[in-house]
Amino acid sequence: QVQLVESGGGAVQPGGSLRLSCAASGFTFSDSGMHWVRQAPGKGLEWVSFIRYDGSNKYYADSVKGRFAISRDNSKKTMYLQMNSLRAEDTAIYYCAKVGSGWYGVDYWGQGTLVTVSS
Amino acid sequence: EIVMTQTPLSLSVNPGQPASISCKSSQSLLHSEGKTSLYWYVQKPGQSPHLLIYEVSNRFSGVPDRFSGSGSGTDFTLKISRVETEDVGVYYCMQSVELPLTFGGGTRVEIK
Repeated sequence: QVQLVESGGGAVQPGGSLRLSCAASGFTFSDSGMHWVRQAPGKGLEWVSFIRYDGSNKYYADSVKGRFAISRDNSKKTMYLQMNSLRAEDTAIYYCAKVGSGWYGVDYWGQGTLVTVSS
Repeated sequence: EIVMTQTPLSLSVNPGQPASISCKSSQSLLHSEGKTSLYWYVQKPGQSPHLLIYEVSNRFSGVPDRFSGSGSGTDFTLKISRVETEDVGVYYCMQSVELPLTFGGGTRVEIK
């Protein structure tokens, strides 16, 4: 069965950096586009970034552009999110999500990893 | 970006009764390939979102047939024919016709 397991979250001070990972199994990772989506405490869902199946195209929300970088290693079936210059408003659960149909539609989500940015 | 507006914000339903959630998009979700990119998810307490309906009306694997989706263009509806206690959670619509993906604000379903 499809599994997406995020890791790398934690507490960091404003201006700091973190690198999230998403380990995939149960499907052909190299055939699937992937997203990062976040959810601030008690809030709704916010799309963060997308990477095509082969890593050739990457897209970012305006709120993270220039600070976050998405990447993937298909040989390791793992996606990453490098987060720099973190701000308090980046505090959220970060989910990785797999594209199932069409260009961007999500069919599976990971369990999430919590990022807390606070001094 | 496409704005997704969900109503109502919350629903309190007796078990066995129907429930309906509306989702409206600020522009058409009809993709150039002929499919409509509207998805429904439920986020149960303490869990990540799970897919219920894709492309307006297709139930995802394992989703009970009491869940149905309908609509076209910019107006969409999720219906639960007979709400069960396990259906408690927050329901989100999402468009994927273009990036950024955008989500409705969520509808909290509770059991009376």
